[in-house]
Amino acid sequence: DGGITQSPKYLFRKEGQNVTLSCEQNLNHDAMYWYRQDPGQGLRLIYYSQIVNDFQKGDIAEGYSVSREKKESFPLTVTSAQKNPTAFYLCASSIDGVSRSGGNQPQHFGDGTRLSIL
Amino acid sequence: SQQGEEDPQALSIQEGENATMNCSYKTSINNLQWYRQNSGRGLVHLILIRSNEREKHSGRLRVTLDTSKKSSSLLITASRAADTASYFCATDADYGQNFVFGPGTRLSVLP
Repeated sequence: DGGITQSPKYLFRKEGQNVTLSCEQNLNHDAMYWYRQDPGQGLRLIYYSQIVNDFQKGDIAEGYSVSREKKESFPLTVTSAQKNPTAFYLCASSIDGVSRSGGNQPQHFGDGTRLSIL
Repeated sequence: SQQGEEDPQALSIQEGENATMNCSYKTSINNLQWYRQNSGRGLVHLILIRSNEREKHSGRLRVTLDTSKKSSSLLITASRAADTASYFCATDADYGQNFVFGPGTRLSVLP
């Protein structure tokens, strides 16, 4: 079955530590996204990538880094510079970032990684 | 910034009743999408409505869009306990801009 796989499901970070969240998709989608969700709130965009080897900052990129070396993979690193990392992290993908007719395409989501501080 | 705001924040209904959620946004859009999120899971795309459309149906879902009022509504008919989830609208303002999710409506359907 095609889909997006996020791992691990739960992750704990020690102070001063960098941690990496994995996101893999087998949908052959060009665009991939990382969102942060805090309790009772909507999603905030961290980073997005519309094509391999290219990515752009979203609204809350500080303290995070990404890479897009393969079409299928878009890992997110939460660095020690992110002082409040506790949240639910969601990865998504879409066929492309924006359709030729204008407007964003539907996004497919993984089941998230819940990150907590030890 | 461009953002959809859902209303109400929380809604509790009995199984079999209809549920209506609203979304308001600030600037003109290309399209508006509705998503569902079950507790502890990722979002699932429900329906996309373009700015030149006024109404769209998908099974028990009906979405309307009023661009003059900058608002949309999601109606779930004959609700079931399995419809219990949070529902989000997502809007995109301009070509090339990523869309923005609202804070969501938490729907509880009681058996």
